[in-house]
Amino acid sequence: EPEVTQTPSHQVTQMGQEVILRCVPISNHLYFYWYRQILGQKVEFLVSFYNNEISEKSEIFDDQFSVERPDGSNFTLKIRSTKLEDSAMYFCASSEISASGQETQYFGPGTRLLVL
Amino acid sequence: DAKTTQPNSMESNEEEPVHLPCNHSTISGTDYIHWYRQLPSQGPEYVIHGLTSNVNNRMASLAIAEDRKSSTLILHRATLRDAAVYYCILSPSLNRDDKIIFGKGTRLHILP
Repeated sequence: EPEVTQTPSHQVTQMGQEVILRCVPISNHLYFYWYRQILGQKVEFLVSFYNNEISEKSEIFDDQFSVERPDGSNFTLKIRSTKLEDSAMYFCASSEISASGQETQYFGPGTRLLVL
Repeated sequence: DAKTTQPNSMESNEEEPVHLPCNHSTISGTDYIHWYRQLPSQGPEYVIHGLTSNVNNRMASLAIAEDRKSSTLILHRATLRDAAVYYCILSPSLNRDDKIIFGKGTRLHILP
């Protein structure tokens, strides 16, 4: 069964450093998302991406964050200058719209980011 | 976004059926009801969705009240692998991408 993959599985970085989290969505999907989950808290929406542009972003997704689909397969989340509070699990998801007009999002296994 | 209410946690014995309730009294006529779950240390996983009629798939069944103000996710025979946080989510019936707003969900404990 096709699945969303994410790399790396774990990333440790120093505060102020840039990190790039990578995702390979399911190949025929058109909609892409990033979510994050701080330890012990809810899963939070960050950004959605369709047709090579951001569809929607949350308040969390400030100027330090950017997303890109550099080729036909990868979808990346960049954090320009990491802060301690960026430590979280980051999930990528992709979806297609079903015949009923509803979408099912498929999530990757996540990247655990630790900012020291 | 329409709100859902779920119990914080539930417990069930292995190999018994589990009924996970969800209240959504402010649901609109075109909102679909989706269930996702999150196994420990994993990403969320789609379980099932429905609009008005009850739905079955290989993972679970979804029973939707006639007035649509509540629904129940049914795991017919729980295994230890079903221990997870279960999220009940409303999704507008629009043919476009839409973010998922996760609540706290119900943490399901399975007792061996």
